[in-house]
Amino acid sequence: GQQLNQSPQSMFIQEGEDVSMNCTSSSIFNTWLWYKQEPGEGPVLLIALYKAGELTSNGRLTAQFGITRKDSFLNISASIPSDVGIYFCAGSRDNYGQNFVFGPGTRLSVLP
Amino acid sequence: GAVVSQHPSRVICKSGTSVKIECRSLDFQATTMFWYRQFPKQSLMLMATSNEGSKATYEQGVEKDKFLINHASLTLSTLTVTSAHPEDSSFYICSAPRGHNEQFFGPGTRLTVL
Repeated sequence: GQQLNQSPQSMFIQEGEDVSMNCTSSSIFNTWLWYKQEPGEGPVLLIALYKAGELTSNGRLTAQFGITRKDSFLNISASIPSDVGIYFCAGSRDNYGQNFVFGPGTRLSVLP
Repeated sequence: GAVVSQHPSRVICKSGTSVKIECRSLDFQATTMFWYRQFPKQSLMLMATSNEGSKATYEQGVEKDKFLINHASLTLSTLTVTSAHPEDSSFYICSAPRGHNEQFFGPGTRLTVL
């Protein structure tokens, strides 16, 4: 079935550094979403991508929808301690993005 | 602010009891809602799709008689874990789509079955 891979699985960075993580799939997706989840909380939507090649920013976060529609990346610039959490990508083959598959997540730790 | 709420946020129950979890869309209507389950340090796994006015659609391997879903209105879906056992202990999260392609998640419900 559909499966998403995320890399890296976990990362430890110094405060102020930039972060890059990506999400790949063997299948084409029409919608990509990036979420952040903190312990004991539900995922919070960060960025939504709808078109191949689309580059979208949300503050210090930037995400791109790969041209092949099989991948997406998320960058975080100038990381701060509150960026700590698990970042999930989610893809949908539906044009209206109602049925999503989630990646295993990238666990980010920011060292002061 | 939050657009999807869940209640309760935490519940502890004895083995054999049933537990109901509510999911509400706060400022929009959702004809469809989704229920996920998340084990520690793992990703979200879709359990079922809740459909207003019709039966829920369950993912393969999810027992529909064990996890009863009722989409009572355009803003409320409930998940009832019947005859809960310790292996049902998990983090249950609902989501609801709003507009074009945006999927919002509730804060989750931590279920612990003793």
